[in-house]
Amino acid sequence: ETGVTQTPRHLVMGMTNKKSLKCEQHLGHNAMYWYKQSAKKPLELMFVYSLEERVENNSVPSRFSPECPNSSHLFLHLHTLQPEDSALYLCASSPSDRSDNEQFFGPGTRLTVL
Amino acid sequence: AQKVTQAQTEISVVEKEDVTLDCVYETRDTTYYLFWYKQPPSGELVFLIRRNSFDEQNEISGRYSWNFQKSTSSFNFTITASQVVDSAVYFCALSEAGLENYGGSQGNLIFGKGTKLSVKP
Repeated sequence: ETGVTQTPRHLVMGMTNKKSLKCEQHLGHNAMYWYKQSAKKPLELMFVYSLEERVENNSVPSRFSPECPNSSHLFLHLHTLQPEDSALYLCASSPSDRSDNEQFFGPGTRLTVL
Repeated sequence: AQKVTQAQTEISVVEKEDVTLDCVYETRDTTYYLFWYKQPPSGELVFLIRRNSFDEQNEISGRYSWNFQKSTSSFNFTITASQVVDSAVYFCALSEAGLENYGGSQGNLIFGKGTKLSVKP
């Protein structure tokens, strides 16, 4: 596989469930990102990892917990979510976390919280 | 504060028409980067172009062209002879290099709300 892949593509969960989103990049990049895309709102950066270390956390609620075990994999662990957390969650990677790097995006996970 | 405004929420054109998508940005940095991304119905954002703040030369790539005007803080995107496959949501984004010098967020793309382009046959 090439590029950035995300699984699952669709996820429906209850407010008391625990689930995880997975992202994998096959581009040899050193930086990975999680974004949230809600209807009628700009894409919101949630987390940035560079060389497996978190370098940015944009005041995301603790019910979202990221994990980056290596430079190719990024997870987003979800627990006790709220209905307003329903959104498209996009993963991206870039060669480094420098601001001139274009980011390569995965297809996203469409999350619905009931 | 940094901000990206795409005033056009939705645009609908007929195939072969030319269409321009507007993007206006705000930043206090002198070094920054501007991007355009395309999001087709499949979901993933596709990188189209990057410009740095010191390069105001317009760029053309096939039917796509970009007009960067620092004087008006705009980075507009024109599609010539639009096609149905151009239907997508297009996002303009800003990244400030200056934050790297202050240990701030790096690779932090600030996106506009996007413009949904529908090209009808």
